[in-house]
Amino acid sequence: DAGITQSPRHKVTETGTPVTLRCHQTENHRYMYWYRQDPGHGLRLIHYSYGVKDTDKGEVSDGYSVSRSKTEDFLLTLESATSSQTSVYFCAISEYEGAYEQYFGPGTRLTVT
Amino acid sequence: GENVEQHPSTLSVQEGDSAVIKCTYSDSASNYFPWYKQELGKGPQLIIDIRSNVGEKKDQRIAVTLNKTAKHFSLHITETQPEDSAVYFCAASGTGNQFYFGTGTSLTVIP
Repeated sequence: DAGITQSPRHKVTETGTPVTLRCHQTENHRYMYWYRQDPGHGLRLIHYSYGVKDTDKGEVSDGYSVSRSKTEDFLLTLESATSSQTSVYFCAISEYEGAYEQYFGPGTRLTVT
Repeated sequence: GENVEQHPSTLSVQEGDSAVIKCTYSDSASNYFPWYKQELGKGPQLIIDIRSNVGEKKDQRIAVTLNKTAKHFSLHITETQPEDSAVYFCAASGTGNQFYFGTGTSLTVIP
């Protein structure tokens, strides 16, 4: 998985609780992304980062925030988890901006009860 | 924004036969089209990609074709093997940092 780890790999949490997912890369790539994967929707971009402390919203950003304090770490926070955020979350990295290869991590399966 | 449609959603082929998965896109500014293979419980893995200045690209048993006029691109797998069984996703990317993914094709290769 191109030097990308995600933690935790599985999590069950209750509605209303905050949750933070971590993505760690060893490739020193500048660009990092968070996607969610749901049946019938493919993968959809939540947020991305184009450098330390530089982030922007994606297609489905409501209810999520991100932070990137180091090149290698990109955190995704669900401020108050809802059942609609039950999903599999994938982190991806890219060396260059835009239309270039993105490499994905192994994913985190999150269940909100 | 971009809209990517992928067909079929499921595909079963006999081992040794060819498999074809098709995607269409809506934004004529899209210029990069990757294909990913996802095995159960794993993240998507990039298997081949094509840029808009190229009509076809091959890598061993896998090929991708692009028709910019019709705004569609296809993945071709020849001489399929059981290990090709997985979910395949197409994507399109143009200006900006966003990839737009199709909804996936579950390919089963029957031994």
